Amino acid sequence: GAVVSQHPSRVICKSGTSVKIECRSLDFQATTMFWYRQFPKQSLMLMATSNEGSKATYEQGVEKDKFLINHASLTLSTLTVTSAHPEDSSFYICSAGDRRSYTEAFFGQGTRLTVV
Amino acid sequence: GNSVTQMEGPVTLSEEAFLTINCTYTATGYPSLFWYVQYPGEGLQLLLKATKADDKGSNKGFEATYRKETTSFHLEKGSVQVSDSAVYFCALSSASNTGKLIFGQGTTLQVKP
Repeated sequence: GAVVSQHPSRVICKSGTSVKIECRSLDFQATTMFWYRQFPKQSLMLMATSNEGSKATYEQGVEKDKFLINHASLTLSTLTVTSAHPEDSSFYICSAGDRRSYTEAFFGQGTRLTVV
Repeated sequence: GNSVTQMEGPVTLSEEAFLTINCTYTATGYPSLFWYVQYPGEGLQLLLKATKADDKGSNKGFEATYRKETTSFHLEKGSVQVSDSAVYFCALSSASNTGKLIFGQGTTLQVKP
């Protein structure tokens, strides 16, 4: 089956620093990847859609300059949380759409970000 | 816009009990419907899916039927196990978009021995 690898699984950073999270599709090409954020005991909220070779599409209310998304290849998208604050602490999950199957997305393991 | 509504949890059951988690949706066109499961501290795993009306998705004893007339996709399992304890998310993907999902709020299932 399709595998999406997300790294790191956990990260702790200091306020004001930046953190990069990687999302890789290991055995398929993903023209589109999605970044979600999950607050404790809540559902997943879509942050942005990452398109290979073009700018990401952000959902309403998501700060583009704070959550930088890059999708440089068909197998890699990155989310960089810039100038992190404690309120950015959350669980971030990526997913990738398989070009062969237009009805399913595959999820990474998620990244637990803690900003201290 | 599209939306998904799940029954509120937590749902607490004894082992071998019958499980139903309700899910209804609002969508234009013909969405695909999914159930995902999230174990503590982990990402999401696809449990089952259905891509058109009257389809039944099934996996690991869980099943759900895509009911267009009632816009529902209820999750059922005949006999739950302690290992089924997790958070379950119902989600939909519009027919025109590959992979962009709208999630319900999630339902926590606790199965006691």
